[in-house]
Amino acid sequence: SQELEQSPQSLIVQEGKNLTINCTSSKTLYGLYWYKQKYGEGLIFLMMLQKGGEEKSHEKITAKLDEKKQQSSLHITASQPSHAGIYLCGAPEGVKAAGNKLTFGGGTRVLVKP
Amino acid sequence: SAVISQKPSRDICQRGTSLTIQCQVDSQVTMMFWYRQQPGQSLTLIATANQGSEATYESGFVIDKFPISRPNLTFSTLTVSNMSPEDSSIYLCSVERELNLKTQYFGPGTRLLVL
Repeated sequence: SQELEQSPQSLIVQEGKNLTINCTSSKTLYGLYWYKQKYGEGLIFLMMLQKGGEEKSHEKITAKLDEKKQQSSLHITASQPSHAGIYLCGAPEGVKAAGNKLTFGGGTRVLVKP
Repeated sequence: SAVISQKPSRDICQRGTSLTIQCQVDSQVTMMFWYRQQPGQSLTLIATANQGSEATYESGFVIDKFPISRPNLTFSTLTVSNMSPEDSSIYLCSVERELNLKTQYFGPGTRLLVL
């Protein structure tokens, strides 16, 4: 089965600083989702990557999928307190047209110090 | 995106009792999923629920413990039966929605504490 490893497990950054989270897969990725979770709440969809070398940005968050499709990174520029939370990467287990269950990484807990 | 609501948002239950969690979606979807997130852990899929058929359970999860209903294309329930403190978790439903790409959207979760 597929395994996703996230690093770091947690990080504390000063407001205004950049941060990067990595997600590494044991197998080739058919797609890669990034979600954000506030403590004790549901998951907020951030971005989905599918093609090798793909890069997407939304506001101050950029996600990339490497050419080999086994690693993704999430980069936040000029972090703000609103960026605090748990970031999770998730990957579908196959290329089925529908009903792909997601396997998740262990999560990265981000704290932004004002 | 998708608007997904869950009820209850949180509950505290006594061991041995059962709790039914509801998941409502703002439009019809084929696939609905139920996940569990134990304290400090990541998400684990419990089962996939299709309308009109039995739910498909993942290894380690059984229907007697987590019965699921899917009466129509916008609604599903998950019951946590005969609860023990180990069932204390956040339970999340998700749906698959295709806009440009097939994407899974999650509900706000149900925080369950079993005493």
